[in-house]
Amino acid sequence: DGGITQSPKYLFRKEGQNVTLSCEQNLNHDAMYWYRQDPGQGLRLIYYSQIVNDFQKGDIAEGYSVSREKKESFPLTVTSAQKNPTAFYLCASSISAGANVLTFGAGSRLTVL
Amino acid sequence: AQSVTQPDIHITVSEGASLELRCNYSYGATPYLFWYVQSPGQGLQLLLKYFSGDTLVQGIKGFEAEFKRSQSSFNLRKPSVHWSDAAEYFCAVGAENSGNTPLVFGKGTRLSVIA
Repeated sequence: DGGITQSPKYLFRKEGQNVTLSCEQNLNHDAMYWYRQDPGQGLRLIYYSQIVNDFQKGDIAEGYSVSREKKESFPLTVTSAQKNPTAFYLCASSISAGANVLTFGAGSRLTVL
Repeated sequence: AQSVTQPDIHITVSEGASLELRCNYSYGATPYLFWYVQSPGQGLQLLLKYFSGDTLVQGIKGFEAEFKRSQSSFNLRKPSVHWSDAAEYFCAVGAENSGNTPLVFGKGTRLSVIA
């Protein structure tokens, strides 16, 4: 079955460390997205990519970086510059960018110790 | 800019009772509207969507939603709630001619179901 795989499911990090969250899709979707979820805040867009080798900042991109070297993969790096990185991170994809149905992964929970 | 408001942060209903979750949007163009559901610690699953046509749309798990342009609303309903419906529900909006602008999500409504 096609879908989105996020790993790891749980991740612990010490302050000052960079961590990378993996997102892989086998849906042949062009567009991919990263959202951050905090209690009561809904989903906030970090970065999105419409096509390989292209990506745009979302509403809360500071302290994060991404790459899109392959269509199937859109890893998110949480850098030490992100002041409050503890959150639930969701990756999603859609057939193309814009107002289309999003398919979500199961999420990754990052905790900073 | 487009925006979505879900006025109710938390709703509690009895099992078997009817449910209505509110969603109001603000957008100048023709909206595309979505409802997603999220179980704790999981990703989001699409319940239903509205692009055009019949303003009453049916989704999975017995849910339906009605698009009311005059009220800028897209409320989600279910006639009889089951305990397994306890989850968080998100409304999202996009637009027909938005180019590559991503969907905008509301902050969610958490549904609790009591016996």
